[in-house]
Amino acid sequence: QSALTQPASVSGSPGQSITISCTGTSSDIGGYDSVSWYQHHPGKAPKLFIYEVSNRPSGVSTRFSGSKSVNTASLTISGLRAEDESEYYCSSYTRGGTVFGGGTKLTVL
Amino acid sequence: QVQLVQSGAEVRKPGASVKVSCKASGYTFTSYDINWVRQASGQGLEWMGWMNPNSGKTDYAQKFQGRVTNSRNVSINTAYMELSSLTSEDTAVYYCARSVSTDLDYWGQGTLVTVSS
Repeated sequence: QSALTQPASVSGSPGQSITISCTGTSSDIGGYDSVSWYQHHPGKAPKLFIYEVSNRPSGVSTRFSGSKSVNTASLTISGLRAEDESEYYCSSYTRGGTVFGGGTKLTVL
Repeated sequence: QVQLVQSGAEVRKPGASVKVSCKASGYTFTSYDINWVRQASGQGLEWMGWMNPNSGKTDYAQKFQGRVTNSRNVSINTAYMELSSLTSEDTAVYYCARSVSTDLDYWGQGTLVTVSS
């Protein structure tokens, strides 16, 4: 199970929109609608922000949205806020279990 | 409210084993799978495996096959992850997480396992 590919870092100013990509293969992202996104603040437990490609759990802001095209999933955060600064991880189902991306550090300038 | 409370930090010598517990509350323990995910310092999240607490069925990432064992005690709503033949590369924070399908919706607070001679 090779890790999914995410950019190491992205940045944006308050109020802007950013997109984090997550690239896999037809054996994971491309083969299943089971992509999730997690926000992870250092020292805390990760939190589920998007499930099944584009669904938000109760309590997650509508500023967060997910999508998928072929083998690449994306997380878009609109109206950036300072509190969005964190590490974001994608994951996908694959035969043999679950695979995570390497994580993307979001900096709000 | 759903809670997963993990056991405290552990220190082990290379070659030893460690067993981390994850006590569930606020939901029916046997209705959701429990996954184990770890994060080494400066590294990303790494999925290790899952267990169905109802049936006891398990599945593990290929990397950990033969070295990790997931188990549970249904009477006390607790899941366990045991990792053997530890090396310094196993030094990490280990998380348990409840899953709905493959989505990890609730996580434990994490357990730091340090492997050092």
